[in-house]
Amino acid sequence: RKEVEQDPGPFNVPEGATVAFNCTYSNSASQSFFWYRQDCRKEPKLLMSVYSSGNEDGRFTAQLNRASQYISLLIRDSKLSDSATYLCVVIDTGRRALTFGSGTRLQVQP
Amino acid sequence: NAGVTQTPKFQVLKTGQSMTLQCAQDMNHEYMSWYRQDPGMGLRLIHYSVGAGITDQGEVPNGYNVSRSTTEDFPLRLLSAAPSQTSVYFCASSPDRAYGYTFGSGTRLTVV
Repeated sequence: RKEVEQDPGPFNVPEGATVAFNCTYSNSASQSFFWYRQDCRKEPKLLMSVYSSGNEDGRFTAQLNRASQYISLLIRDSKLSDSATYLCVVIDTGRRALTFGSGTRLQVQP
Repeated sequence: NAGVTQTPKFQVLKTGQSMTLQCAQDMNHEYMSWYRQDPGMGLRLIHYSVGAGITDQGEVPNGYNVSRSTTEDFPLRLLSAAPSQTSVYFCASSPDRAYGYTFGSGTRLTVV
């Protein structure tokens, strides 16, 4: 079983739609959680950290459920520029580097 | 600030050749790591470092060496290139594992 699992998609949504991505992680020792965005043939870029209380950054909302080992990302009012691959990322207690999910591809259509 | 700088951006190697992928950061970050990205596999950790003089293996370390003699630099050495090492390589750094990592723009390596 992969340490971090995501639905690969693609999610094809119209502009203005709300879309949600889910991610599960297997290591209960995981301590820090992030969502990254990766455009085609580019490096991953940090979108937002994910906190236990949930957090919001503009149109983006992230949630963490430690009991279910589940992370989510909600994007409201989708823009064409949101089209990208969204990577779920965790850091566990033992390893001081990132463990990535395979990513979920989002295509926002006009 | 330049952030994380990787060189070269592109490289073609013949099987059996060795080379070093360079990574430098100017943010005084203690944590640095190397990943490879293959289609359908996501990013996988090769080696990482939590400070100068300290390195450790990640998920796919075989065929690669690293060293960390300074805070700024974290080179990745391919000992004897194989076609299976054809990939995109990313270097990343962070001030602390609780913070997100900043990535370099990557090195696209092809081994023929």
